Amino acid sequence: EVQLVETGGGLIQPGGSLRLSCAASGFTVSSNYMSWVRQAPGKGLEWVSLIYTDGKTYYGDSVQGRFTISRDNSRNTLYLQMNSLRAEDTAVYYCARGSSGPYWFDPWGQGILVTVSS
Amino acid sequence: DIQMTQSPSSVSASVGDRVTITCRASQGISSWLAWYQQKPGKAPKLLIYAASSLQSGVPSRFSGSGSGTDFTLTISSLQPEDFATYYCQQANSFSYTFGQGTKLEIK
Repeated sequence: EVQLVETGGGLIQPGGSLRLSCAASGFTVSSNYMSWVRQAPGKGLEWVSLIYTDGKTYYGDSVQGRFTISRDNSRNTLYLQMNSLRAEDTAVYYCARGSSGPYWFDPWGQGILVTVSS
Repeated sequence: DIQMTQSPSSVSASVGDRVTITCRASQGISSWLAWYQQKPGKAPKLLIYAASSLQSGVPSRFSGSGSGTDFTLTISSLQPEDFATYYCQQANSFSYTFGQGTKLEIK
């Protein structure tokens, strides 16, 4: 069964750093396009970042230069390193596998809450 | 960035009704559009990709159409489990963007 499980969320002060993990099972992370998508409380969805199978990375404008997507092939895990966190980064963060290429997201993990507040 | 605008923002309907949700892109995106369903407290689920292709395992009462800037998601006969929020997403260019969502409520 294909499954994604996010960990690493929590409460962090503005300006701080946090690393999210997304452990995959039932498929190989390095052979798939993988994304992070977030959802602020009560709001809509916002695409955050994407890593291609060849390692190329892409970011949304609001996180460019602050967030870094990566993967550990030996652990079959996707990561999102988040630096210089702001209040507006508060959201549930989902990891998702690319479906039929890097364009669509399926399946998704259950999500992990990140709260940026003093 | 390409802006995606959904309408309506919310809609009330009854079991068995036919419902259509629209999504408009601020510039042409060919068929680079997907639809997702999200229930409260749950992750989104992919329903339709490439504007009109049904994701495996999704009931055939869901269908998508459109190209360029105007797209529709149609549910032919609403079932109780279909009451949720629906999002469109464009993948024509980075940054990928989503519509603001359409909440489908029980009348």
